[in-house]
Amino acid sequence: GAGVSQSPSNKVTEKGKDVELRCDPISGHTALYWYRQSLGQGLEFLIYFQGNSAPDKSGLPSDRFSAERTGGSVSTLTIQRTQQEDSAVYLCASSSNRGDEQFFGPGTRLTVL
Amino acid sequence: AQSVTQLDSQVPVFEEAPVELRCNYSSSVSVYLFWYVQYPNQGLQLLLKYLSGSTLVKGINGFEAEFNKSQTSFHLRKPSVHISDTAEYFCAVLTVGGGYQKVTFGTGTKLQVIP
Repeated sequence: GAGVSQSPSNKVTEKGKDVELRCDPISGHTALYWYRQSLGQGLEFLIYFQGNSAPDKSGLPSDRFSAERTGGSVSTLTIQRTQQEDSAVYLCASSSNRGDEQFFGPGTRLTVL
Repeated sequence: AQSVTQLDSQVPVFEEAPVELRCNYSSSVSVYLFWYVQYPNQGLQLLLKYLSGSTLVKGINGFEAEFNKSQTSFHLRKPSVHISDTAEYFCAVLTVGGGYQKVTFGTGTKLQVIP
């Protein structure tokens, strides 16, 4: 596709449920990032994938959060046993291997009731 | 370790007035610098970037930024703002090494243009 896509655009879930958020990066981009943007907050780095290398998971807030990237393309962010404080917009971005700009998806707005 | 500081969380400015949004960074290695903009209810998009060469970088919508290595700054400026510039602006620093790249974003500055 022409840009980074994310699905779903909105997700409402009940506390304690698991959710999966999907990101389709720009074709050929080897780097993929997940961020969280809470109301009134900046961008919080969650996890970074670079090609087939081990991901940088240093930003994941707890062990309830995990992510995978299959075949170096599509990525899924999973939040287990969701809590109300997980409510936020989750952004995905991809970039080329040249250390250049990131292209952001539209985000998934997660609401935990 | 690297960090980005945007000291001003909100900047109100009258329409057609000049504006400067400040960004300072710290890094032990060479950096690439970016400004991203997020318009209300929209995603982030690149405003401008500094990779190398001229330290004065021009971006979209009349914005420009100057890389100052000695002051470790990359302030964003526009000589005359428009209502449509109301948005949140994020400064970011990127370092590359060992096959990895690391990006750090500032906490953002909300620019409010007053008619």
